[in-house]
Amino acid sequence: KQEVTQIPAALSVPEGENLVLNCSFTDSAIYNLQWFRQDPGKGLTSLLLIQSSQREQTSGRLNASLDKSSGRSTLYIAASQPGDSATYLCAVNPQGAQKLVFGQGTRLTINP
Amino acid sequence: GAVVSQHPSWVICKSGTSVKIECRSLDFQATTMFWYRQFPKQSLMLMATSNEGSKATYEQGVEKDKFLINHASLTLSTLTVTSAHPEDSSFYICSEGGPSTDTQYFGPGTRLTVL
Repeated sequence: KQEVTQIPAALSVPEGENLVLNCSFTDSAIYNLQWFRQDPGKGLTSLLLIQSSQREQTSGRLNASLDKSSGRSTLYIAASQPGDSATYLCAVNPQGAQKLVFGQGTRLTINP
Repeated sequence: GAVVSQHPSWVICKSGTSVKIECRSLDFQATTMFWYRQFPKQSLMLMATSNEGSKATYEQGVEKDKFLINHASLTLSTLTVTSAHPEDSSFYICSEGGPSTDTQYFGPGTRLTVL
């Protein structure tokens, strides 16, 4: 059974810092991995999608990496801003299953 | 990406009543939709996969008689929480796959509070 773990559960940093969020998964047989953002009481916004054959994806100040063999992904946020404050969720799409398995998320707070 | 709406955005009901939540795909005909549940400060857990014109597929531990799913058209799936109890209070989010199987597009969620 695929399990996804995110560390840390919560993170608070001053504005302007670069930071890394971590995600690990137990079964390397995945189709892809995604990072989502969730604002309080809201739905999910897809940030980055990494296919199993890819090593990383970039969008603006965000960079996500994937090491499928070791079951790890990181989300790097450069020059953090207060607007980046949200919960960040990592999800894997297991091979052979059209569904997503989510981690518990990292609650990020960027202090002005 | 695809646009998904949910209605209502929040609902408060008495214990023992039934509540229906709608999930609409606004710009794509979705043969498959997904229903997730999220308890406070926890992650999303897939409840069931809703297939247009056929029975939903429920995840292990999810009571199909309690959480009724109907996917009667390519743009609408409904989740009915029957005989709701306080422990059913949660954030319910639907999603659909859009034109690609690579990702899912999520609705804004429905906050259910059962008194």
